[in-house]
Amino acid sequence: EIVLTQSPGTLSLSPGERATLSCRASQIITSNSLAWYQQKPGQAPRLLIYGASSRATGIPDRFSASGSGTDFTLTISRLEPADFAVYYCQQYGGSPRTFGQGTKVE
Amino acid sequence: QVQLQESGPRLVKSWETLSVTCTVSGDSISNNYWTWIRQPPGKGLEWIGFIYYSGDTNYNPSLKSRVTISVDTSKSQFSLRLSSVTAADTAVYYCARAWGYHDSWGQGILVTVSS
Repeated sequence: EIVLTQSPGTLSLSPGERATLSCRASQIITSNSLAWYQQKPGQAPRLLIYGASSRATGIPDRFSASGSGTDFTLTISRLEPADFAVYYCQQYGGSPRTFGQGTKVE
Repeated sequence: QVQLQESGPRLVKSWETLSVTCTVSGDSISNNYWTWIRQPPGKGLEWIGFIYYSGDTNYNPSLKSRVTISVDTSKSQFSLRLSSVTAADTAVYYCARAWGYHDSWGQGILVTVSS
C-alpha cells in the first residue's frame, strides 16, 4: 500500500499569501497518478488537480501543482477567502487507492 | 452534468450490515467505474473500492472480508454493503465516479453505528 504523507498538517496564512502544500509518497507513483482535492466543512471533496499537474474543469489558475515520483506539491498563488479549506492528495497508480491525511489551510 | 445521490439507513446497529445505494443521473452507469469512499467524523478519506458495470470489483484489503459492491444497471445504481459493523465504521459514505481520480461525488450520507 502506498502511504501518502502530507505536510504541514496546518498552514496558517492570510488572504493574498501563497500556500505551498506537500505530499510525499512511500513509493514511486506510476504515471504521475496523483490528484488533489479541496474539502470544505459539510461538503464532498472537490477535484482540483489530476495527473499530478492538470487542473480539473473550472479550477482557477491560481491553483497549480507539480511533482513526480514520490514528491508532489500543490501551490495556491494568492489565497482567496474561499480557498481556506482542507486539501487532500490521493494516488491512483496503485491498489488500494490511498489518500493523504490532509492539510488544513486556515 | 453527472449527479450522484447516496441513500440508505442512517443508523445501523453493531454487528449488522450497513447498506448504502448511489443513484447516478446525467451519465450512463455503463460508461465508467464507480467508487465508494468514506470519511469518519473529523478524520480523513478512506477508499473502500470500486465496481465496473460488468460487475468487476476491486476492494480495499483492509475491508475486503466485509465489503460487497454491486451494480444494477437497469436502475443506474450501485450499492455498498458492509457487514459486521462496529462504531469504527461510523462515517460519511461517499459515492464517486471513476476508478482513478474522482471528478464527481455524491453529497455523502452519514451512517452511524449504534450499539
